[in-house]
Amino acid sequence: DSGVTQTPKHLITATGQRVTLRCSPRSGDLSVYWYQQSLDQGLQFLIQYYNGEERAKGNILERFSAQQFPDLHSELNLSSLELGDSALYFCASSARSGGQDGYTFGSGTRLTVV
Amino acid sequence: DAKTTQPNSMESNEEEPVHLPCNHSTISGTDYIHWYRQLPSQGPEYVIHGLTSNVNNRMASLAIAEDRKSSTLILHRATLRDAAVYYCILRDVFAAGNKLTFGGGTRVLVKP
Repeated sequence: DSGVTQTPKHLITATGQRVTLRCSPRSGDLSVYWYQQSLDQGLQFLIQYYNGEERAKGNILERFSAQQFPDLHSELNLSSLELGDSALYFCASSARSGGQDGYTFGSGTRLTVV
Repeated sequence: DAKTTQPNSMESNEEEPVHLPCNHSTISGTDYIHWYRQLPSQGPEYVIHGLTSNVNNRMASLAIAEDRKSSTLILHRATLRDAAVYYCILRDVFAAGNKLTFGGGTRVLVKP
């Protein structure tokens, strides 16, 4: 157990639907990062939050959004789902926002859009 | 983000050391060198990171060249469990919105 909790572990949904993925960071960590990993794309950075505020955006689609709550857990919302959104979604956390800290990853949520 | 170059794959025998090279010729003075690995069907796992000096932990050692343009991750005695994709990543401590940008990594195969 890495200390980063992601739920649900698996999700199957239909095209056009909306889903919410949840991440609880490791205790004490203030930064949360979301990554998408599909078979042909590798690990793609989506977005980072630090202590409730958005810090960086990567290749995140407009149909996707995220937020970090006061208790530091984060949610990634995916809407108008397409078949191509099927992927593993990973959340990671770190103590601070800078490069001096390593990341701790969760075990991921496998999203299948049918 | 400064880029890194790694070999696509490497093979090793069980219980032998593995040396994984990484080139990062455009590294800046504020870039930390991070290494992560991803075992099949699992999330990435932190291995080690450093700035200028060599680093050791229970998983591995990180040897950083004096000019910092390259580094080597050393697994002292490879086990079958070490078969994974290993990623070398640079992370700027001062960049607005720090993030890890993963490249293709090195796929390590450990033979029994």
